[in-house]
Amino acid sequence: AQSVTQLDSHVSVSEGTPVLLRCNYSSSYSPSLFWYVQHPNKGLQLLLKYTSAATLVKGINGFEAEFKKSETSFHLTKPSAHMSDAAEYFCVVSSNTGNQFYFGTGTSLTVIP
Amino acid sequence: DGGITQSPKYLFRKEGQNVTLSCEQNLNHDAMYWYRQDPGQGLRLIYYSQIVNDFQKGDIAEGYSVSREKKESFPLTVTSAQKNPTAFYLCASSIGDPGGSYEQYFGPGTRLTVT
Repeated sequence: AQSVTQLDSHVSVSEGTPVLLRCNYSSSYSPSLFWYVQHPNKGLQLLLKYTSAATLVKGINGFEAEFKKSETSFHLTKPSAHMSDAAEYFCVVSSNTGNQFYFGTGTSLTVIP
Repeated sequence: DGGITQSPKYLFRKEGQNVTLSCEQNLNHDAMYWYRQDPGQGLRLIYYSQIVNDFQKGDIAEGYSVSREKKESFPLTVTSAQKNPTAFYLCASSIGDPGGSYEQYFGPGTRLTVT
């Protein structure tokens, strides 16, 4: 069975400081993993995805994530937070049949000016 | 522009009434999904469809119904049997490949309030 655990429900950072949002996954096969961002009352937007190619994945808006199989982790990072990064972030793993996606409970990122 | 549209953005209904939420995509995707999102929670799968005229129950299908008569459209009906229908509803689509390497695309959501 597949599952995703986002280790922090809320993260606060100061503008210009690094961002780290943590995600651990459980999967019985080699997974595809995704990070999405959701601004208030909006749909989800894909930040980046891992699909068994390079383990360090670069996404939009300066975000990147590293797939670590030994740690079953897929943490999201950004070197310098911007006010516009304040949002909800979701880590997602797909099923091996490709027809279902399993969501973490989300991490709310606050950026302090 | 390719994408997913959901209408309306806000919907208000009286308790006991059925209501249908619209979801249309022009991405030529085979798979479509409906999720429910409640405050402070992640997304919970209501129904999904991998192909026209076929759909499967998700984790919280009770009180909901769907149809998939056209590839582009996947409407969701919230019936009076749904005990707590007030929520934010998100529609998504995906190519639906067996490898699972293709992401989902999401619509802007419909916020349903039932009083």
